[in-house]
Amino acid sequence: DIQMTQSPSLLSASVGDRVTINCKASQNINKYLNWYQQKLGEAPKLLIYNTNNLQTGIPSRFSGSGSGTDYTLTISSLQPEDFGTYFCFQHNSWYTFGAGTKLELK
Amino acid sequence: EVQLVETGGSLVQPGKSLKLTCATSGFTFSNAWMHWVRQSPEKQLEWVAQIKAKSNNYATYYAESVKGRFTISRDDSKSSVYLQMNSLKEEDTAIYYCTWRVDFWGPGTMVTVSS
Repeated sequence: DIQMTQSPSLLSASVGDRVTINCKASQNINKYLNWYQQKLGEAPKLLIYNTNNLQTGIPSRFSGSGSGTDYTLTISSLQPEDFGTYFCFQHNSWYTFGAGTKLELK
Repeated sequence: EVQLVETGGSLVQPGKSLKLTCATSGFTFSNAWMHWVRQSPEKQLEWVAQIKAKSNNYATYYAESVKGRFTISRDDSKSSVYLQMNSLKEEDTAIYYCTWRVDFWGPGTMVTVSS
């Protein structure tokens, strides 16, 4: 099974900051990597699919990059509505989620 | 608008059974590959099961943790997908989400397994 190691687990930031969240796969996942945002009491929402494709309706301040085993989600200028928990997800070989990054207000 | 709504979650004793239903609308369900994903009280997400479309012979796949106990099925005439859960364990306690392609998610239904 492919393991996904997500870091950091907790990130404190301010409105306007540039933030990055990382995911490392235990083997090559060929860019089959999605990012989700989850707010308290809600289902996860797809932000980016297949490493760098922005889901319809998602603001352009969100971007993704990576290849092989290493992937990154970047928020270029943090907005108040961006606070929540972020998960990575690989769908190259079966399906595995990262443990999540809680993004909180500093 | 794509909509998915899960029902059927409840408090159940270990060893018992429960069936979840996911009603969908807003997309061509008969062509859709559907999944169940669960989230533990510790907030860890775990993929549970997948069912493909008729054109893929309704192929099904399961996480090792539920294989042999859970069964995913679908009714294309009702645009619905189901999860039959047998021999439930306390570690099955979670919010269960129905998803289309793991892109679109329902709000989830809570399953609590406890004596």
